[in-house]
Amino acid sequence: KAGVTQTPRYLIKTRGQQVTLSCSPISGHRSVSWYQQTPGQGLQFLFEYFSETQRNKGNFPGRFSGRQFSNSRSEMNVSTLELGDSALYLCASNERSSGAQETQYFGPGTRLLVL
Amino acid sequence: EDKVVQSPLSLVVHEGDTVTLNCSYEVTNFRSLLWYKQEKKAPTFLFMLTSSGIEKKSGRLSSILDKKELSSILNITATQTGDSAIYLCAVERFGSRSGGSNYKLTFGKGTLLTVNP
Repeated sequence: KAGVTQTPRYLIKTRGQQVTLSCSPISGHRSVSWYQQTPGQGLQFLFEYFSETQRNKGNFPGRFSGRQFSNSRSEMNVSTLELGDSALYLCASNERSSGAQETQYFGPGTRLLVL
Repeated sequence: EDKVVQSPLSLVVHEGDTVTLNCSYEVTNFRSLLWYKQEKKAPTFLFMLTSSGIEKKSGRLSSILDKKELSSILNITATQTGDSAIYLCAVERFGSRSGGSNYKLTFGKGTLLTVNP
């Protein structure tokens, strides 16, 4: 089984720009979660998608958005980038049973640097 | 607001030692507690503990959930240098909203474990 893939792996943007990150989950997994990891705040939950629907959202501003396609691939978008958005963005492919988390597999992440 | 607190923040031991990492939480509608290991890359899932599965073991790693004390420990016996990593604890809660249900994951800041040869 192929693992979780994320693209791009590295990205440099300037303030005010927008960015779109992509994640392909493990085949057969219908749930994808996104996280932001920074040295100061640690790992923080952004949102989760299941069957093209956003199931839950963390405490991030509306500049952070996402979507999921019918093939379970997911994208997240950050508009009007700020310096503080520099972080490692991780996508996780979730294996759930009856809706509850069973196991979770992380992708390698996209490291975003905002200048 | 959900809280997950891990202790200690960092720990340095020698190979062969046994370590115990702690995770305490304040979460409404608790569903499960998860442990992860993170080296210089993305986290790796270790265990999930729930009310129906409060103890898990895999090789030298084991974990117990204490629902009464709202905490969990992760034990690593006979530590090796390859165990050096950040160990993250996360708690998942069940929340409901109109139109469906959802789960939310809150992470602790992690424990940095260094195992010296």
